[in-house]
Amino acid sequence: AQSVTQLDSQVPVFEEAPVELRCNYSSSVSVYLFWYVQYPNQGLQLLLKYLSGSTLVKGINGFEAEFNKSQTSFHLRKPSVHISDTAEYFCAVTMNSGNTPLVFGKGTRLSVIA
Amino acid sequence: DAGVIQSPRHEVTEMGQEVTLRCKPISGHNSLFWYRQTMMRGLELLIYFNNNVPIDDSGMPEDRFSAKMPNASFSTLKIQPSEPRDSAVYFCASILSGGAHNEQFFGPGTRLTVL
Repeated sequence: AQSVTQLDSQVPVFEEAPVELRCNYSSSVSVYLFWYVQYPNQGLQLLLKYLSGSTLVKGINGFEAEFNKSQTSFHLRKPSVHISDTAEYFCAVTMNSGNTPLVFGKGTRLSVIA
Repeated sequence: DAGVIQSPRHEVTEMGQEVTLRCKPISGHNSLFWYRQTMMRGLELLIYFNNNVPIDDSGMPEDRFSAKMPNASFSTLKIQPSEPRDSAVYFCASILSGGAHNEQFFGPGTRLTVL
């Protein structure tokens, strides 16, 4: 079975500052990793994913994440945040077969302060 | 493509009533997932189907919950009778297994309130 730990439930950050949202996972098998964003009262939108290959993954809206197998981490970063980045961010893992369920972390609420 | 379609978007009902949530996956996708989001438990899997066959329903909380997928383009999640603790946002997601993207596409969700 897989599990995901998002170490920070809330992260406040000033506009144009960098941000890192932390995610650690546990799994006995190879996995795919994902970051989703949820804006208030909306569904889940995929930011980026790691399936294989390069450990540095770039996604939408200027976000990137790095897969670190030895540390079982998949931290999300952005060099300069905007007010519009205020949202809930979810890290998720699934077995690397594609058609298996996602296991989500509890989420991190990013609040960007003007 | 219209994406994953869920209906209704909002449902308010009274305790004891039957509730039916509907999902239309993306055309051609062969796996479908029902997730529930609550403040206390976050996002959790209820049940999923591969090629219309239920694979794992261990996340269904009680016998009051049931799900069906009669064909590749439609699924329902039914709660009978509903209780206030069922209040949550219910998401449906679909994926083309073995496809190029290997990502689940989510619907907008159904916000259920049981009074």
